[in-house]
Parts: sequence; C-alpha cells; structure tokens
Amino acid sequence: KAGVTQTPRYLIKTRGQQVTLSCSPISGHRSVSWYQQTPGQGLQFLFEYFSETQRNKGNFPGRFSGRQFSNSRSEMNVSTLELGDSALYLCASSLASSGTTGEQFFGPGTRLTVL
Amino acid sequence: GEDVEQSLFLSVREGDSSVINCTYTDSSSTYLYWYKQEPGAGLQLLTYIFSNMDMKQDQRLTVLLNKKDKHLSLRIADTQTGDSAIYFCAEAGSARQLTFGSGTQLTVLP
Repeated sequence: KAGVTQTPRYLIKTRGQQVTLSCSPISGHRSVSWYQQTPGQGLQFLFEYFSETQRNKGNFPGRFSGRQFSNSRSEMNVSTLELGDSALYLCASSLASSGTTGEQFFGPGTRLTVL
Repeated sequence: GEDVEQSLFLSVREGDSSVINCTYTDSSSTYLYWYKQEPGAGLQLLTYIFSNMDMKQDQRLTVLLNKKDKHLSLRIADTQTGDSAIYFCAEAGSARQLTFGSGTQLTVLP
C-alpha cells in the first residue's frame, strides 16, 4: 500500500506570494491533518479534515487555509507569504473516524522557503 | 495548554540500549506516539500505545507508560548507527490533534 504523498517536495516563493500544497493520504484513510515544523517552534498543528469537513484548527492566522476533496486528497493554502512561513509542512493521514486520532502516518513533507 | 517535554540529546554506544524519556500534561490523552525523523525526511511512526496500557513491545522497541506520573519512555535494544535520528514523543488528547515534544537527538557512537 502506498504511503502518504506530498507535492511538491520543495518550493521557493517570495514574500507576498501565495502557495498551495497538496497531500494524498493512504488509500482508505479519510482523515488528513497538517502540521508545520520549524526549528524555533517545533511541530505545530494546523488543521484536520475528515470527509471534506474541517474538524479542528490550530492557532494559526487566517492566511492559512485548507480543504479536502471527495477522494480525501487535501490541499493547504498560505496567502500573503511572510519570511516566518518558511518551514517543513507535513501531512498525516489516519483511518480514525471519530473521537480519537488512531495511527497517524506522515508524508515526507513539503519544504517551503520564503525569500 | 497541553505540553510535552523531552530531553534534547542522548548519546549511546553501538550495541547498548537507549532510553528516551518524555513527560506530558494532558490527562485526557488517549494515544501516545513515538516518531523518528532522519535528516531531510518526514516523520516515521515507530510505535504507539493506548492510554490504558502499561507496556508495549515491538521487536527492539519497548514503550513504557506511567499514566499516574504522565511519563512515557522508549527503549531501543541493541542500538545501531542507523538508529541515529531525532525521536519525537507525541500525545493525542480529546481534540484529535497531536502535541509533540521538541525531539531528542539520538547519537549512536561506534
């Protein structure tokens, strides 16, 4: 079974631009979560989607948004990029439907650099 | 809010056992996880334990959970150079999100 895939793997953008990252979960998984990893703040939760609905959101500004499609693939968008948005963005997928997180499998991440 | 603490560094000799410790604050944690991250890579799920368990063993990995003290540990038996990486402890509470520790850099010396 294929793992979680994320595209692109690397991105370079300039301040003020916007970016869209994509995540394809493991086949059969309907829950997709996004995390930001930086050297200063570590791993922080962005949001979680299940069956096209955002169920949970972390403490990030409204410039960070996401969505999930009917095939469970998810995208996250960051508008008006700032230097501090440079990070590794990780996506995780899970079989868990409600109440618990279950086994969370992560993709390889998208490395975003904002210049 | 919830917090997860880990020591930053651990060095061991090849062939020895490694023990990585973690403490957490959320008493409603349901699952507790250990992930491994190698340079330039994503997070690899090593093992996890449900909060009503005390111990879980999986080949060279042993997880111990002391729910009373909110303490989790990962023991790696017969540590190899390929085990050198950053190890993250994470807990999942009722909010269906993972709260991660800052990671422990494990260095295995030949």
